[in-house]
Amino acid sequence: GAVVSQHPSWVICKSGTSVKIECRSLDFQATTMFWYRQFPKQSLMLMATSNEGSKATYEQGVEKDKFLINHASLTLSTLTVTSAHPEDSSFYICSARAGVDYEQYFGPGTRLTVT
Amino acid sequence: GQNIDQPTEMTATEGAIVQINCTYQTSGFNGLFWYQQHAGEAPTFLSYNVLDGLEEKGRFSSFLSRSKGYSYLLLKELQMKDSASYLCAVISNDYKLSFGAGTTVTVRA
Repeated sequence: GAVVSQHPSWVICKSGTSVKIECRSLDFQATTMFWYRQFPKQSLMLMATSNEGSKATYEQGVEKDKFLINHASLTLSTLTVTSAHPEDSSFYICSARAGVDYEQYFGPGTRLTVT
Repeated sequence: GQNIDQPTEMTATEGAIVQINCTYQTSGFNGLFWYQQHAGEAPTFLSYNVLDGLEEKGRFSSFLSRSKGYSYLLLKELQMKDSASYLCAVISNDYKLSFGAGTTVTVRA
């Protein structure tokens, strides 16, 4: 149980275009989903927290107009990287929390490369 | 703010024991997680400590001292597949996870 999927697993896009990444909880309802970014040889950095039906809360330094997050249902959250630039190339990982559990279940990650 | 420190790299021999230390200073504490992450993959859960003491789970054990802001992950009977990055993460009052930079463990034959 507690499986989280992400789609796509990797994507290459041209500079200036937008990319959407989906995060789904497959066998549980996720009250909260989190989006992280990880640059090579660095740790995970929290970008934003999203609760179903409400606006996402962004961490300091993360541009909310550039990284659009939608949490439309209890099993789906999407992250859209708008007007992508090469410096947005990174490993994007989502996680989901169920109910009052502290544990977060991580998706397999999405490798974004912007050319 | 959150400050979580762990060593950058450790090397050990197959069959040996390695201890990865983690110290933390955080605003709010609701437990400490250890995750294993292989290159290019998402983190996988290893342990969760919220009370002081040692939690043993097979070859992996995790220890927590809240008064000292200290935890360690003990890996016993090391295998080549244990070569990975090990992440210490603290969960705060708002359910957010703050990660340390990770410790890369290399297991040599």
